Amino acid sequence: RKEVEQDPGPFNVPEGATVAFNCTYSNSASQSFFWYRQDCRKEPKLLMSVYSSGNEDGRFTAQLNRASQYISLLIRDSKLSDSATYLCVVGVGNAGKSTFGDGTTLTVKP
Amino acid sequence: DAMVIQNPRYQVTQFGKPVTLSCSQTLNHNVMYWYQQKSSQAPKLLFHYYDKDFNNEADTPDNFQSRRPNTSFCFLDIRSPGLGDAAMYLCATSIDSDYEQYFGPGTRLTVT
Repeated sequence: RKEVEQDPGPFNVPEGATVAFNCTYSNSASQSFFWYRQDCRKEPKLLMSVYSSGNEDGRFTAQLNRASQYISLLIRDSKLSDSATYLCVVGVGNAGKSTFGDGTTLTVKP
Repeated sequence: DAMVIQNPRYQVTQFGKPVTLSCSQTLNHNVMYWYQQKSSQAPKLLFHYYDKDFNNEADTPDNFQSRRPNTSFCFLDIRSPGLGDAAMYLCATSIDSDYEQYFGPGTRLTVT
């Protein structure tokens, strides 16, 4: 079993749709959680950190469920520009190592 | 603007010919990472430095080496590139372990 697992998709949604991605992690000692966005042939860019209480940034909402060991990303009112691969990243304490999921590909269509 | 810079952006090398990729940062971050990313795959951590402390991943081939001569610079040396080493190489920094990482634009390596 992979340390961090994501549904690879692809998710194909119309503009304006709401879409949600989940990411599960296997190490219960994980302490840091992030969502990154990666456009084709570009570097990953931080989208959101994920906090225990959940957090929202505009159309994006991230949540953490420690009991079930997953994080989620909700995108409301999808835009064409949201088309990208979304990477879940989980870190374990002071090891300095973060593990990336394989990413979920989103395509938003007109 | 503070940033992570990678040079070159594109590198072509011959099979077996040593190559060095460079990364510099103006963020003054303690941690620097090197990742390898192949098409449709997640970035794979090769190694990272916490300040001058080098941390190698167990499955990183010996063919890959790294140097961090100072806080700002980090190098990735591939001693004898094989065809399977063709990939995007990403450098990233973070202020400390477990904090968000900031990536450079990557170096796309082609091995002929």
